[in-house]
Amino acid sequence: QVQLKESGPGLVQPSQTLSLTCTVSGFSLTSNSVHWVRQPPGKGLEWVGAIWSGGSTDYNSALKSRLSISRDTSKSQVFLKMNSLQTEDTAIYFCGSFDYWGQGVMVTVSS
Amino acid sequence: DVVLTQTPPTLSATIGQSVSISCRSSQSLLHSNGNTYLNWLLQRPGQPPQLLIYLVSRLESGVPNRFSGSGSGTDFTLKISGVEAEDLGVYYCVQSTHAPHTFGAGTKLELK
Repeated sequence: QVQLKESGPGLVQPSQTLSLTCTVSGFSLTSNSVHWVRQPPGKGLEWVGAIWSGGSTDYNSALKSRLSISRDTSKSQVFLKMNSLQTEDTAIYFCGSFDYWGQGVMVTVSS
Repeated sequence: DVVLTQTPPTLSATIGQSVSISCRSSQSLLHSNGNTYLNWLLQRPGQPPQLLIYLVSRLESGVPNRFSGSGSGTDFTLKISGVEAEDLGVYYCVQSTHAPHTFGAGTKLELK
């Protein structure tokens, strides 16, 4: 059974760095891509970025300069790091493979 | 970046009614490998998104066959043949042909 679970701090101060972890089970990171998608309160879904089965990455154009996605295949974990956070980054962050998604983690950027 | 324009933004339907959602792309989604990477997702309130359709018209496992997808190039359609109460939520098209991937703004399906 495929499962993905996001974890990370619920509250981040402005200008600080967000670190999220996506822990997967039931599928291999070397055979599947993992995407990050976010949803600001009351708004639509926004694709953040992805790490492909071979380890390469793609990022949202507007976030590219602040964003890094990496993985540890031995731990079945994918990591998202975004720096210089602003209030506009407040959102639910989901990780998934498009056919499977985690429940998401709410991240609030506030002092 | 590819822009996906979904219409209508809101759709009101009665149970049993058939409805369609349009997704138009700012550029062709036909990949050089011959595939068209256009997916449809449904997000019910308070839930993560759920994949309904991939590669334009292929039904994800477990999704009822009242959902169907069609289209090519830049114009795509999701059709629900006989809306049921569990279909309410926001529908998104998303393209994976061109990097970065992009989502449409969503279409909210509500009961009339």
